[in-house]
Amino acid sequence: AQSVTQLGSHVSVSEGALVLLRCNYSSSVPPYLFWYVQYPNQGLQLLLKYTSAATLVKGINGFEAEFKKSETSFHLTKPSAHMSDAAEYFCAVSDTNLDTGRRALTFGSGTRLQVQP
Amino acid sequence: GAVVSQHPSWVICKSGTSVKIECRSLDFQATTMFWYRQFPKQSLMLMATSNEGSKATYEQGVEKDKFLINHASLTLSTLTVTSAHPEDSSFYICSARDRKREGTGNTYEQYFGPGTRLTVT
Repeated sequence: AQSVTQLGSHVSVSEGALVLLRCNYSSSVPPYLFWYVQYPNQGLQLLLKYTSAATLVKGINGFEAEFKKSETSFHLTKPSAHMSDAAEYFCAVSDTNLDTGRRALTFGSGTRLQVQP
Repeated sequence: GAVVSQHPSWVICKSGTSVKIECRSLDFQATTMFWYRQFPKQSLMLMATSNEGSKATYEQGVEKDKFLINHASLTLSTLTVTSAHPEDSSFYICSARDRKREGTGNTYEQYFGPGTRLTVT
């Protein structure tokens, strides 16, 4: 079974500062990893995904993440925070259970990003 | 592309009544849809996997007789909360996988709906 740990339920940064949201995963098989963003009372929007290609993945809105197998990590970064980045961010790992074919997602507990002016 | 809609976006119902939530893939066909629930300030928890034309697969601890799922077509899945109680109040989110991407490297990608806020009084 897969699991995801997001360190830090709340992260606060100043506008223009570096954003770093941490995600560590546990998986018995090569994982597929995702970062989603959720704005209040809305669904989830995919930021980026890792699917065994390049380990440095670039996503939308200037975000990127690096897959590090040795550290079982998939941290999300953005060089310069913008006020509009304030939201909840979820890291997720795929369920690669080929027997059931479900390929469901297991989500981390989420990190709320606050951006201070 | 890859838009998923949910209806209604929010609903208030009385305890003991049933509520149906629809999840539609608007511009693609989805053989598989997922239903999640999210309590305030918490993560998404998978409730069930809905497969077109077959019975849904429920996660452990989810009552299948209380949360009825129907996936009658490749673009529509419905979740019916039967005999709702205040503890069922939550944010329900569906997601869908694009049928055309099955078997490719994008098989694992899910497209999420905007969610339905259910409040049971």
